[in-house]
Amino acid sequence: DTAVSQTPKYLVTQMGNDKSIKCEQNLGHDTMYWYKQDSKKFLKIMFSYNNKELIINETVPNRFSPKSPDKAHLNLHINSLELGDSAVYFCASSQPGQGIEKLFFGSGTQLSVL
Amino acid sequence: SQQGEEDPQALSIQEGENATMNCSYKTSINNLQWYRQNSGRGLVHLILIRSNEREKHSGRLRVTLDTSKKSSSLLITASRAADTASYFCATDLSGNTPLVFGKGTRLSVIA
Repeated sequence: DTAVSQTPKYLVTQMGNDKSIKCEQNLGHDTMYWYKQDSKKFLKIMFSYNNKELIINETVPNRFSPKSPDKAHLNLHINSLELGDSAVYFCASSQPGQGIEKLFFGSGTQLSVL
Repeated sequence: SQQGEEDPQALSIQEGENATMNCSYKTSINNLQWYRQNSGRGLVHLILIRSNEREKHSGRLRVTLDTSKKSSSLLITASRAADTASYFCATDLSGNTPLVFGKGTRLSVIA
């Protein structure tokens, strides 16, 4: 079983559309994240949730709305997609320990906005 | 601003050689982690070194941490073609902050 799974793997859409990416982890972790990786491979945190509660929102436009129905799921909904949203989006999870312990990543969703 | 900076940006070596990648950071950390990313895949955790540790080994991986210089290095010994990937350092800062990743080093191991 995949520890952190996200769907879809590829998403091609037109500017202005609304789309969602789903993420599920079966590791029993309390904390989940969304990261965005741009074309230069720079990985930037977007959101962090702990046990369904938002704890970090890193100056992400409010067109991006994360939703955590339970601690095993963290979905990302994006409204009014723009060209600059094209990137690879990674979901990850971790279990807090002495600080942030290792992250487990999903395989990514490559979003292309045309 | 970015916390971690890897050096070099790209590295190309022959199979069997050792590969060394460096990471510098700016502020105090709880721990520093190294991740590998194969093309088109998610990041995979390799090794974690805590701020009170100076060196750690895992198989062919050796990580050092110098908190006085705010730097870390990742050494991969006896490299293999399968080690070809991007390698990222990530720092765990104190407080309720997420891991901050560097831009990565692209390693190519030529058979």
